[in-house]
Amino acid sequence: QKEVEQNSGPLSVPEGAIASLNCTYSDRGSQSFFWYRQYSGKSPELIMFIYSNGDKEDGRFTAQLNKASQYVSLLIRDSQPSDSATYLCAVNPNTGNQFYFGTGTSLTVIP
Amino acid sequence: GAVVSQHPSRVICKSGTSVKIECRSLDFQATTMFWYRQFPKQSLMLMATSNEGSKATYEQGVEKDKFLINHASLTLSTLTVTSAHPEDSSFYICSAPQGGTDTQYFGPGTRLTVL
Repeated sequence: QKEVEQNSGPLSVPEGAIASLNCTYSDRGSQSFFWYRQYSGKSPELIMFIYSNGDKEDGRFTAQLNKASQYVSLLIRDSQPSDSATYLCAVNPNTGNQFYFGTGTSLTVIP
Repeated sequence: GAVVSQHPSRVICKSGTSVKIECRSLDFQATTMFWYRQFPKQSLMLMATSNEGSKATYEQGVEKDKFLINHASLTLSTLTVTSAHPEDSSFYICSAPQGGTDTQYFGPGTRLTVL
């Protein structure tokens, strides 16, 4: 079983819609959760991190964490074509600084 | 967020030569840095963990004699691909956790093409 799993997609949403990206993880002791965005040919850039159960909002982005279900998600409101990218979920299992990354979900926002 | 730089951004070399890639944390110190490799349309693959003042830790299947890592200071780690071959052509990315947090910031990556 992979440590972090994501639906590879592709996920397509129309412009202005809400995009929902999901991630599950296997290590119940994990404490830190991150979402990165990676445009084609570029390196990942940090969007958000979340440590506590519940929702965390930053502009159009909302991260949701449910440790009991070992589930973390990212909602993108008012999706824009510029949001089209691969979104990587990362988990720190708290055994050091090493992250476990999911394989990423490809998102396409259709104008 | 914190800034991590990489140099060069792109390199083309002949088969059999060695290539050095630098990763620098510009506004924070990093005792640990990570090196990843990413092939087209594939996910990030962790190659090794670079530790300042000690030996790097390599992931299973990564040849430590081929991918030499030196963490010379608290702001610089280098990855040297020795005797590069076409199959080593890939996108190499480093990352560093910002001090006092576990948030990793990525460098812009180095695209290596071995002819």
